[in-house]
Amino acid sequence: NAGVTQTPKFQVLKTGQSMTLQCAQDMNHEYMSWYRQDPGMGLRLIHYSVGAGITDQGEVPNGYNVSRSTTEDFPLRLLSAAPSQTSVYFCASSPTGSRTEAFFGQGTRLTVV
Amino acid sequence: SQQGEEDPQALSIQEGENATMNCSYKTSINNLQWYRQNSGRGLVHLILIRSNEREKHSGRLRVTLDTSKKSSSLLITASRAADTASYFCATAVTDSWGKLQFGAGTQVVVTP
Repeated sequence: NAGVTQTPKFQVLKTGQSMTLQCAQDMNHEYMSWYRQDPGMGLRLIHYSVGAGITDQGEVPNGYNVSRSTTEDFPLRLLSAAPSQTSVYFCASSPTGSRTEAFFGQGTRLTVV
Repeated sequence: SQQGEEDPQALSIQEGENATMNCSYKTSINNLQWYRQNSGRGLVHLILIRSNEREKHSGRLRVTLDTSKKSSSLLITASRAADTASYFCATAVTDSWGKLQFGAGTQVVVTP
């Protein structure tokens, strides 16, 4: 049982490049979300999804796009990377949103130079 | 702005001692959750306490919730070196089921 899988684990981008962070879960959870973690700031919600075809913005959505075509996958797209997007990104899933516990992936450490 | 704020920001104790950390939040919640993060890893769920509960136990963990003061505490009893980690509280805001709002965390170091 893999749980929540994020790829890649590490990535270096140049300013202006685009890329997609992958997230997949095999627990058939309806709710998925993306967070970024910066030193001293905890986790901040970027985007979330309450089911396939439904997404919504979190606290810090600018510069990121998401889509949810299947229950299993929830990719996060950086449209034009900026140094301010240097961070550790976590994907999480849960069966009933914040009513129950969230399961986190191992994170993607992104550096934008 | 963040919903939850943990106190203290850092805590250093010796094995066998108890560790207590606090979380304050701002708005009405459905539940409050505590997570642990080991260095370089993802977050792991520890315990969830609902707004109508006042205290909950899980092994060496004890969580309290005071909704009138909008605060929660996490107590780790008889700490071990393996408890060294960052601990985060997260709140499930009422009527916003897709969102968990996290605090900045408490970094706990347990020395043998």
